[in-house]
Amino acid sequence: SQELEQSPQSLIVQEGKNLTINCTSSKTLYGLYWYKQKYGEGLIFLMMLQKGGEEKSHEKITAKLDEKKQQSSLHITASQPSHAGIYLCGAALHGGSQGNLIFGKGTKLSVKP
Amino acid sequence: EAQVTQNPRYLITVTGKKLTVTCSQNMNHEYMSWYRQDPGLGLRQIYYSMNVEVTDKGDVPEGYKVSRKEKRNFPLILESPSPNQTSLYFCASRLTPWGNQPQHFGDGTRLSIL
Repeated sequence: SQELEQSPQSLIVQEGKNLTINCTSSKTLYGLYWYKQKYGEGLIFLMMLQKGGEEKSHEKITAKLDEKKQQSSLHITASQPSHAGIYLCGAALHGGSQGNLIFGKGTKLSVKP
Repeated sequence: EAQVTQNPRYLITVTGKKLTVTCSQNMNHEYMSWYRQDPGLGLRQIYYSMNVEVTDKGDVPEGYKVSRKEKRNFPLILESPSPNQTSLYFCASRLTPWGNQPQHFGDGTRLSIL
């Protein structure tokens, strides 16, 4: 069973619009990582969240981990075509070894100019 | 430049012909891992290594072998490839198996087994 659920699976937005992608688990997350992937290419690390309630921003992308550490959201403000790609969340579900991450299936984002 | 390098980037081969996908990192990372990515299934871990000479199975290890004789290299070996191993493969590394650091990924190897 998929332990990290991402929603939506795909998203098409008009350039300039805001959007949110969610990553949800039924278990506590010990470290939540957001990556971006261009189709067929490698994963680019965006942000890491660790503490409940933590929020981080990089340029126009903001990610937050909820207080219970079971859900994270990725918010893009004023989207641009360069934001298009697949966004993946990865997380360690066990507090012991955080090296072994599981990943959501990804959210495919398209930005229409 | 800090990076994870995979080779080859693309490979088309036939069933049963042994192949090796190399992975090398120049960041002195202890932890390395292999994933495969398939449509609808996402990223799944094949094998991982906590350090030199320490390897362990991930979620989908069947049909694969790995070795970690040196810290920087973590090759993925398909002894007898089959069509169901057609996939996009990623190697990743991180500084240590513990604590909070991101995994750094290679650019991927697209493997087609005919």
